[in-house]
Amino acid sequence: DADVTQTPRNRITKTGKRIMLECSQTKGHDRMYWYRQDPGLGLRLIYYSFDVKDINKGEISDGYSVSRQAQAKFSLSLESAIPNQTALYFCATSDHRVTDTQYFGPGTRLTVL
Amino acid sequence: QKEVEQNSGPLSVPEGAIASLNCTYSDRGSQSFFWYRQYSGKSPELIMFIYSNGDKEDGRFTAQLNKASQYVSLLIRDSQPSDSATYLCAVGLRSAGNMLTFGGGTRLMVKP
Repeated sequence: DADVTQTPRNRITKTGKRIMLECSQTKGHDRMYWYRQDPGLGLRLIYYSFDVKDINKGEISDGYSVSRQAQAKFSLSLESAIPNQTALYFCATSDHRVTDTQYFGPGTRLTVL
Repeated sequence: QKEVEQNSGPLSVPEGAIASLNCTYSDRGSQSFFWYRQYSGKSPELIMFIYSNGDKEDGRFTAQLNKASQYVSLLIRDSQPSDSATYLCAVGLRSAGNMLTFGGGTRLMVKP
């Protein structure tokens, strides 16, 4: 089984809809991250969480919110989706006690029409 | 100036050649450096990391770090068509609390 899972893997939605992307991990890592990737723009950090009670905005947090329901679960919400939020979204985890290495989930391809 | 910079490419090399990928970073106090490989539409996967100046080898891959010049490179020996992917450099920037900052990636094409 994959260590970092994301659901759904693909989603098509309409402008104005609320959508939630979920991430779960079995690695026991304390830190979790949400990135988006657009063609030619690399990975951009949306939000990150160092533990359940420590959530921080990243480079491009506007239009997004997150919830860290447990150490193993980190959800990303788009309150009112807009077309320019169409992108590939990745969740990642790391264990700061061991290394800065981040391990990525398989990604969610989101299309907002 | 971006904090972590890579040439976007594409870098095209013939099969069997050495591919050389470069990355520069802005924060001289950075301590950790990573190379990820990403196939189109897939998630980044870790190739290797390096913390100390010099070379680190892992199979066909060699990471090179020069902190004085603030660059890190990845050499891929005996390049194969299956190495064709985008390679992301990530740096644990001291200015960001050692969180990873990613470069934009270099697209590598290995031609048979």
